[in-house]
Amino acid sequence: GQNIDQPTEMTATEGAIVQINCTYQTSGFNGLFWYQQHAGEAPTFLSYNVLDGLEEKGRFSSFLSRSKGYSYLLLKELQMKDSASYLCAVKVRQAGTALIFGKGTTLSVSS
Amino acid sequence: DGGITQSPKYLFRKEGQNVTLSCEQNLNHDAMYWYRQDPGQGLRLIYYSQIVNDFQKGDIAEGYSVSREKKESFPLTVTSAQKNPTAFYLCASSIRANTEAFFGQGTRLTVV
Repeated sequence: GQNIDQPTEMTATEGAIVQINCTYQTSGFNGLFWYQQHAGEAPTFLSYNVLDGLEEKGRFSSFLSRSKGYSYLLLKELQMKDSASYLCAVKVRQAGTALIFGKGTTLSVSS
Repeated sequence: DGGITQSPKYLFRKEGQNVTLSCEQNLNHDAMYWYRQDPGQGLRLIYYSQIVNDFQKGDIAEGYSVSREKKESFPLTVTSAQKNPTAFYLCASSIRANTEAFFGQGTRLTVV
């Protein structure tokens, strides 16, 4: 089976940097995605990693180590609007193009 | 504007009744998906379809059924066999290659 682990909750202050970790044990790994989801809303795509290394996109960066089964999402210059759930998801070959999600990390940003 | 439309946003049904959730996309995406989200559970895959007239079960398909007769549409029926149907249901679609999935706004189903 597939197993994806993330911390349940994190807190941070405005302007700070926060790192949200994701570890996975899967067979047929074929890429890792990060999504942001505000309460009651649809998830929105943040980043995608399929090769080892860092992908940077504005205030958000995502890192992948396939040999360690590990990824992190780095959020810089935190803003109040970044308070949301952050979902780590993997693609595995057995599930075609479908994403398998972790339980998500709820981030609370305070002033 | 291209996107994924789920309707209705809120749905109430009595226990024992089947109910069908609508999902339509005009993004010309080949693949479509249904997920269920419960508090503290993340998104769990119910069914997915990579091409018209074909679909596969996800991790929690029991008590659900789908059809994919048109590329644009992937309706989900929650049957009376589903033990705990009250949840937030999300539909998504993607181009068949290794790209991100785009989500609809979700349908919150409450069974009383």
